[in-house]
Amino acid sequence: AQTVTQSQPEMSVQEAETVTLSCTYDTSESDYYLFWYKQPPSRQMILVIRQEAYKQQNATENRFSVNFQKAAKSFSLKISDSQLGDAAMYFCAYRRNRVGGGSNYKLTFGKGTLLTVNP
Amino acid sequence: NAGVTQTPKFQVLKTGQSMTLQCAQDMNHNSMYWYRQDPGMGLRLIYYSASEGTTDKGEVPNGYNVSRLNKREFSLRLESAAPSQTSVYFCASFGRANSYEQYFGPGTRLTVT
Repeated sequence: AQTVTQSQPEMSVQEAETVTLSCTYDTSESDYYLFWYKQPPSRQMILVIRQEAYKQQNATENRFSVNFQKAAKSFSLKISDSQLGDAAMYFCAYRRNRVGGGSNYKLTFGKGTLLTVNP
Repeated sequence: NAGVTQTPKFQVLKTGQSMTLQCAQDMNHNSMYWYRQDPGMGLRLIYYSASEGTTDKGEVPNGYNVSRLNKREFSLRLESAAPSQTSVYFCASFGRANSYEQYFGPGTRLTVT
């Protein structure tokens, strides 16, 4: 079974600075997706960034980027120029890619990291 | 498009009461999911439906039942609510194998007293 571990229950960062959230995962598969989701106080789950395992290049979305180390099974999220609106719970998640017909594309989540942004 | 909708947004039940959480998606997705979110636990899969007419257990199915009413709708039923089922419930849907994103509903906060 796949597992996702986020070892930092809480993190804080000063506005305009950079913060890195850690995630490690365990899988025996080679083809999968990794995701970072943001959950603000509104509860809505918002996809921040994704990484396909077969792509060596790290994904980037504006101020958000990842450091994907496939051999180490590590997937960290870097937030640059942090803004007050970045304050939220962040979840790392894993999903298999190639699954047979009728099978389960479920997401496996870590326990989350609560990010506080200080003005 | 409304995406994924869930009703109700909030609910308080007494122990032993029953209720059904409703979920609908308008994206013509085949797969639908129910997750629960508890403090310090992340989201865990309760049940899923890979396609219309099929349902399967996830990680934490005990105390729940589901119905995939049609391609759009996937309901979650608590037959006899327990305090341990106090949680936030999310419905999600997923379109196709070479896509990547699951779309989430806004969640239902359920309290069982």
